[in-house]
Amino acid sequence: KNEVEQSPQNLTAQEGEFITINCSYSVGISALHWLQQHPGGGIVSLFMLSSGKKKHGRLIATINIQEKHSSLHITASHPRDSAVYICAAPRGRDDKIIFGKGTRLHILP
Amino acid sequence: KAGVTQTPRYLIKTRGQQVTLSCSPISGHRSVSWYQQTPGQGLQFLFEYFSETQRNKGNFPGRFSGRQFSNSRSEMNVSTLELGDSALYLCASSTKQGLYGGLETEAFFGQGTRLTVV
Repeated sequence: KNEVEQSPQNLTAQEGEFITINCSYSVGISALHWLQQHPGGGIVSLFMLSSGKKKHGRLIATINIQEKHSSLHITASHPRDSAVYICAAPRGRDDKIIFGKGTRLHILP
Repeated sequence: KAGVTQTPRYLIKTRGQQVTLSCSPISGHRSVSWYQQTPGQGLQFLFEYFSETQRNKGNFPGRFSGRQFSNSRSEMNVSTLELGDSALYLCASSTKQGLYGGLETEAFFGQGTRLTVV
């Protein structure tokens, strides 16, 4: 079983829909990152959070450390949001970064 | 301000050969971390360098090594290539040593080097 699980693996939605991507982890972590990867490979670091909620434009990330769960929300989704979203966290016992397998999001115009 | 530059972008090598990949961080960034991405395993952490010292290392065999120079540029070397080493290799740079394992909010990624081993 992966230490970091993401769901769904694939998500197709219409432009304007509210999107939620989930990330659950089974190991102790101190913080979690959300990354966005566009076709071609380039990765952008979206958020790093250790508690509560962070908002940047139409993106909102939440984390509940006790429940070992984080969500990434996209409001008013747009085709340019189409990408792979990956959650990542440093594993508490050795500080090595562990990654989810990613959620492939496709927003239809 | 120039971004993180990885060279080459694409590479084809034969089994048994060795390869060196380069990563030039954003000016002023002293931390460089390396990652391997494959369709089967996803992203995996390779190692992180800060001020020319390896600070953390993932679970990869000794065939994978790296170094960082005084100008913060980093190289990653893979010896005795195997077919399974075919992957996208990404590096990221940031200003600080990875308090969170080499990946911080202000980490910036390069476009990656796509290595194919035949």
